[in-house]
Parts: sequence; C-alpha cells; structure tokens
Amino acid sequence: DGGITQSPKYLFRKEGQNVTLSCEQNLNHDAMYWYRQDPGQGLRLIYYSQIVNDFQKGDIAEGYSVSREKKESFPLTVTSAQKNPTAFYLCASSMGQGYEKLFFGSGTQLSVL
Amino acid sequence: GQNIDQPTEMTATEGAIVQINCTYQTSGFNGLFWYQQHAGEAPTFLSYNVLDGLEEKGRFSSFLSRSKGYSYLLLKELQMKDSASYLCAALNGDYKLSFGAGTTVTVRA
Repeated sequence: DGGITQSPKYLFRKEGQNVTLSCEQNLNHDAMYWYRQDPGQGLRLIYYSQIVNDFQKGDIAEGYSVSREKKESFPLTVTSAQKNPTAFYLCASSMGQGYEKLFFGSGTQLSVL
Repeated sequence: GQNIDQPTEMTATEGAIVQINCTYQTSGFNGLFWYQQHAGEAPTFLSYNVLDGLEEKGRFSSFLSRSKGYSYLLLKELQMKDSASYLCAALNGDYKLSFGAGTTVTVRA
C-alpha cells in the first residue's frame, strides 16, 4: 500500500541534543512538507521541498534543518537551537507544486526531558 | 498575514447534523480545504472548494462563498466515529496554505 510513514511515534530530547525525525513516502510525490502542531494553534509550516536536493524555509524554520537527498525521504532535525521543541510534528506530501491535497503521516510527538 | 477562524469546540448527538464554520482572510485565494484529524493521528483530506457553492460527498458537504470569505463543513447523520478535529485551510494567491486551529467535534450517544 502507498503511504507516508513517520518514525518514531514518540521521541524524547535532552537539553542540548539534536534529534532527527524520519519521514518516508512511496507515493512518488514530488513535494514534501514538515508541519508543527501545538494545542490551540493551526498547523505551522517548518520547511518544504518541491524537488530533490532543494528545500525552502517555511514560517517557523529557526532551530530546524532538513535534507532531501532522495525523492522518498525528507528527514527533519530539531536542533538544540530550538528552545521550545515540544510539539506534534507532521510530515506531508503532495503530487506537485500547486498544493494539491496533502497526504499526511501519522505524526511524531516530541517531548523534552 | 493570513487569518483563518473556526470555533474551538462543538458537541452534537448521534444522528444529528453539525455545521462547522470557517472564515478566512487571505491575500489572493486559490481554494479552501477541509481535513479530519482523529486524536494523535494523521489529518485526512475531506474536501476542496475553489468555486462558490455546495459540494456534497456522502454524509459530508462543504460550502464556499468567496465574496464573504466563508466556508462551512456540514456533517449529517452523525456517527460516533465522526468525533474528531476538523481543520479548515485556505490557499492564498501565492499557493501558500494556512490552517485554522481546528474544531473539535464531540458526538454523544
């Protein structure tokens, strides 16, 4: 079955630690996205990529980094510079650049120890 | 910036109808999405409207008025499994998507 897979489901970060969230899709989609979801707020865009080896900052990119070395994979690193990392992180993909409907992964809940 | 407003919570009885309103202010407009999200799970696509009017898809319908910057999602014959958060998202003129905070719908027996 085609889909988008995020791992791990739950992740804990210590002070000063970088952590990486995995996102893999086998939908053959060109575009991939990372969103952050906090209680009482809408999804906020962290980074997006419309093609391999290229990515753009979203609205809240500070303290995060990404790579897009393969079409299928778009990992997100939460660096120690992100002072408030506790949130639910959602990865999504879409067919092209026109923001057709998004297909979401099941999310990663990141918490700080 | 973009502004998307929707109610925080709604409660309804099994078998009833619920209407979730969404108002938006965007610079340019290229469509309005509705997604359903069960707690701790992935949002899933429900509907997309770009022209004025009502689009019906089974028990769910979505309406758009571009002149009023307004949309609603209508859930009919409510079932317990419809208890979820419903996200409204507007696509602006630059194809940037902005999400509302979501409306949590609780269906009671």
